[in-house]
Amino acid sequence: QKEVEQNSGPLSVPEGAIASLNCTYSDRGSQSFFWYRQYSGKSPELIMFIYSNGDKEDGRFTAQLNKASQYVSLLIRDSQPSDSATYLCAVNKWGSYIPTFGRGTSLIVHP
Amino acid sequence: GAVVSQHPSRVICKSGTSVKIECRSLDFQATTMFWYRQFPKQSLMLMATSNEGSKATYEQGVEKDKFLINHASLTLSTLTVTSAHPEDSSFYICSARDQGQGASGNTIYFGEGSWLTVV
Repeated sequence: QKEVEQNSGPLSVPEGAIASLNCTYSDRGSQSFFWYRQYSGKSPELIMFIYSNGDKEDGRFTAQLNKASQYVSLLIRDSQPSDSATYLCAVNKWGSYIPTFGRGTSLIVHP
Repeated sequence: GAVVSQHPSRVICKSGTSVKIECRSLDFQATTMFWYRQFPKQSLMLMATSNEGSKATYEQGVEKDKFLINHASLTLSTLTVTSAHPEDSSFYICSARDQGQGASGNTIYFGEGSWLTVV
């Protein structure tokens, strides 16, 4: 089992819909969770981080963390074509500051 | 969010020469920086972890004599690709760890990346 797993996609959603991106991790002691967005040919940019169980909202983005089930998800409301990118999940294991990245999920928002 | 600047954004060099890429944290001190390589449509591959004032820790399979990393200050790390060959052509990305208190603690911010083409 990979340490951080994401479905590579592509996930295709219509404009205005909710995009749901999922990530599972293997280390139960993981403490910090991050979502990055990477446009083609560009470097990743941080969208948000979450440390505690539950939901964290920032604008159109909501991160959801469930440590018992070892998954973290990212919801994008009112998806726009400009949201089309690869979304990377990153997890810091307990006691480590080195993030482990998933392979990313490609999101396509079509008009 | 914090700003990490990487330079140059694109570089073309001849086979056999060396090229240096700089990574700077502009508004925070970064005791730890990371260097990644990414081939087209592939995932990020961590090359090495760079700690200020000490030797870098390289991931398995990464040649430390070929990819020289220097982290001489809290805001600057450099990656030098020595004796570059066409197979070294890739997208190199640095990131820096913001150890700030509160919500930003241990958050990693990426530089803009550097496209290296070896001809």
